[in-house]
Amino acid sequence: DGGITQSPKYLFRKEGQNVTLSCEQNLNHDAMYWYRQDPGQGLRLIYYSQIVNDFQKGDIAEGYSVSREKKESFPLTVTSAQKNPTAFYLCASSIFLGREAFFGQGTRLTVV
Amino acid sequence: AQKVTQAQTEISVVEKEDVTLDCVYETRDTTYYLFWYKQPPSGELVFLIRRNSFDEQNEISGRYSWNFQKSTSSFNFTITASQVVDSAVYFCALSENTDKLIFGTGTRLQVFP
Repeated sequence: DGGITQSPKYLFRKEGQNVTLSCEQNLNHDAMYWYRQDPGQGLRLIYYSQIVNDFQKGDIAEGYSVSREKKESFPLTVTSAQKNPTAFYLCASSIFLGREAFFGQGTRLTVV
Repeated sequence: AQKVTQAQTEISVVEKEDVTLDCVYETRDTTYYLFWYKQPPSGELVFLIRRNSFDEQNEISGRYSWNFQKSTSSFNFTITASQVVDSAVYFCALSENTDKLIFGTGTRLQVFP
C-alpha cells in the first residue's frame, strides 16, 4: 500500500530527554513536511523539505531538528530545548512543494 | 505574506441541513493553490480538493461543493444534506506557487442526528 507511515502512534517522554519521531513515505514524493497541532488549534509548520539533503525552517522550528538523508524518510527530533513539546505531530508529503499534501496518522507526544 | 482565516471556530447543525464553511485567504502571488482537508476524530487529515488561482469554476462532488471567488479572496465549502459522518474538523490551506502549505485554524463541524 502506498502511503505515509508515522511511528509510534503514542509517545511518552520525560522532561529533558530528546525523542525522535519517524516518518516514512513510499509515494515517491519529493517534498515532506512536519506540522504540530495543539488542542483546538490549527496546524503549524515546524520544518519542510523540498528535496533530499535540503530542509527549511517553518514557523515554529525552535527546539526541533530534522534530517533528510533519504527521499523516503524525514525524521523529526524533539529536543529538550522545546519548552512545550506535548502535542499531536503530523507528517505529510507531496509530489513537490506547493501541491496537495498527504498525511500520516500522526504521533501524539506527551511529556511526563 | 500568506495567511488563511477560518473565522468559524465551531458549527453545529442537525442532520440533513446544509452548511457552509468559510475560508478567506491573503496572498501577494498571482499563482497559488487552495485546498480543503477533513480531520475526523481519528486525527489523520484527508485531502478533499485542490483549486489553482486561474480556475474560478465552482466544483461539485456528491454532497460537497466549493465556491472560489478571487474578488473576495474566499474559497468556501458547502456540505448539502449533512450527515453525522460529516462531523470533523475542516481545514482550508494555501500555497503560493511552489511554496509550503499554510493552514487555517480549522472549523469544527458537529452534525447531530
